[in-house]
Amino acid sequence: GESVGLHLPTLSVQEGDNSIINCAYSNSASDYFIWYKQESGKGPQFIIDIRSNMDKRQGQRVTVLLNKTVKHLSLQIAATQPGDSAVYFCAEKLDNTGKLIFGQGTTLQVKP
Amino acid sequence: DTGVSQNPRHKITKRGQNVTFRCDPISEHNRLYWYRQTLGQGPEFLTYFQNEAQLEKSRLLSDRFSAERPKGSFSTLEIQRTEQGDSAMYLCASSLSGNEQFFGPGTRLTVL
Repeated sequence: GESVGLHLPTLSVQEGDNSIINCAYSNSASDYFIWYKQESGKGPQFIIDIRSNMDKRQGQRVTVLLNKTVKHLSLQIAATQPGDSAVYFCAEKLDNTGKLIFGQGTTLQVKP
Repeated sequence: DTGVSQNPRHKITKRGQNVTFRCDPISEHNRLYWYRQTLGQGPEFLTYFQNEAQLEKSRLLSDRFSAERPKGSFSTLEIQRTEQGDSAMYLCASSLSGNEQFFGPGTRLTVL
């Protein structure tokens, strides 16, 4: 079946540095992508989304880049803070039902 | 707090028992989703409702699982004759049509 995967299971960065979390998706028909942050014991928290007709979208301290040519999605976090430590999931939506397909997640560790 | 609530937050049961979980979505959201998440993995889609209608069910949703959303507001997920393999976090999410999904805190099920 189709799946969305992340390149690295764990990413360790120094506080204040920028973080880049990558994701590869397999279905070229996917039209919507979301990044979620999940802290221990909590449900996924929406960070930012992007539609397939865009290649970049910016939020507060976060930027999502979409490269449809190579089916690649990335999340950039500027000036990473200890509170950013969590597991990050990318997800794709395959059709207009809204069903999300999640990848396995990248654990971001922020060193003080 | 996203506005989606789930009860109970934790449930420990013995194999063979039935369990029921409840999800209260954000009030104006017409779509409600159930996902299951095991340790170290991303959430996996189980089923979703648009208003009262259950529109899609995953192959993961065996005959022992049933979900309802009788009045188009809250939803329940019942698992009959629980098995140890049912141990997981059960997540509920809601959305306004096909837009971003807001997740609840989840119900952690442990089957002994």
